[in-house]
Amino acid sequence: GESVGLHLPTLSVQEGDNSIINCAYSNSASDYFIWYKQESGKGPQFIIDIRSNMDKRQGQRVTVLLNKTVKHLSLQIAATQPGDSAVYFCAEKQGNYQLIWGAGTKLIIKP
Amino acid sequence: DTGVSQDPRHKITKRGQNVTFRCDPISEHNRLYWYRQTLGQGPEFLTYFQNEAQLEKSRLLSDRFSAERPKGSFSTLEIQRTEQGDSAMYLCASSGRTATGELFFGEGSRLTVL
Repeated sequence: GESVGLHLPTLSVQEGDNSIINCAYSNSASDYFIWYKQESGKGPQFIIDIRSNMDKRQGQRVTVLLNKTVKHLSLQIAATQPGDSAVYFCAEKQGNYQLIWGAGTKLIIKP
Repeated sequence: DTGVSQDPRHKITKRGQNVTFRCDPISEHNRLYWYRQTLGQGPEFLTYFQNEAQLEKSRLLSDRFSAERPKGSFSTLEIQRTEQGDSAMYLCASSGRTATGELFFGEGSRLTVL
């Protein structure tokens, strides 16, 4: 069946460096993707979204890239800060209401 | 605080007991969602309400699970005859009238079934 998955469970990055979190999806018909951040003990928090008619979208310190050819999207975080430590999920919209989530990547910031 | 609130934050119960969780969404949001999350996994969709109408239910939502949103404001999720496999974080989220993926989540209700 369709699924959204992540390449790496844990990513360690030096503070100040850029982080890149990757995500693969299997449903080529998917047209909307979202990145969420979840800090320990909290609910997920929306970061950025992208529709399939776009290849790139930028927010504050974050950029999402979508490669429909290989069904891959990535989240780039510029100048990673300690507050960026969290688990990052990509999610794919299915139908009108459902989000299908990947397993998450834990981002660890090294001082 | 005008975010999504959930109660209780933690619930420990014995197998076979019934539990109920409450969610108060952001007041102007008409869409409300319940998700379940186990450790190390992404949330799994359970059910969706638009106003008071339950428009979608996941096949994960067995007949022991029931959700209501009687007045289109707060919602409850009840689990009857709990099983150890029900242990998880139950997340509630709400969103406004635009059908985007931006959901506003509460901090969840963690259920432990002994």
